[in-house]
Amino acid sequence: SQQGEEDPQALSIQEGENATMNCSYKTSINNLQWYRQNSGRGLVHLILIRSNEREKHSGRLRVTLDTSKKSSSLLITASRAADTASYFCATNDYKLSFGAGTTVTVRA
Amino acid sequence: DAGVIQSPRHEVTEMGQEVTLRCKPISGHDYLFWYRQTMMRGLELLIYFNNNVPIDDSGMPEDRFSAKMPNASFSTLKIQPSEPRDSAVYFCASKTASVLDQPQHFGDGTRLSIL
Repeated sequence: SQQGEEDPQALSIQEGENATMNCSYKTSINNLQWYRQNSGRGLVHLILIRSNEREKHSGRLRVTLDTSKKSSSLLITASRAADTASYFCATNDYKLSFGAGTTVTVRA
Repeated sequence: DAGVIQSPRHEVTEMGQEVTLRCKPISGHDYLFWYRQTMMRGLELLIYFNNNVPIDDSGMPEDRFSAKMPNASFSTLKIQPSEPRDSAVYFCASKTASVLDQPQHFGDGTRLSIL
């Protein structure tokens, strides 16, 4: 069963705009991870946030975690064409459980 | 620094044939994972190994699927006999547990088509 569920399923934005996507999960977690998948490639790890953290930054990425609501959000600021990809959240360290992903299209 | 290497990148074969997918994890990583990705079911964990030992194979769909890890630098996922519904992209990933909160590193996958 899928633990992480991303929302929205698809997102289309203009280059330079911000993109926000959300993830909800069902059970308690140690950490939550976000991955990116470009077309025809494997998943690339973006950022990990621990259950005792509320916010984390990495370059143009900002992740928040609300364990009381069992939800997380990923914000990509000043988007670029290269950010066009599918984004997945995953929970648990070993038996990673992925959602269906959010497909982000950045228009030039 | 080489990442996870999978071969072949593409495989097209006829139903009933044996298919073998190969994976070389990142050197020093002690966990190896096999995933399957389809449009209908998304990304599913099939099996994972720790120090070459299978830990959880509850995601393996049927007895037609088997996975081995004869040493720390090589793993195979075998399907015998193959069926059209096995068509998917199969990913291998590895990670180290020597440092807390390390991510999984994925290969670029094998796109399998069973005709």
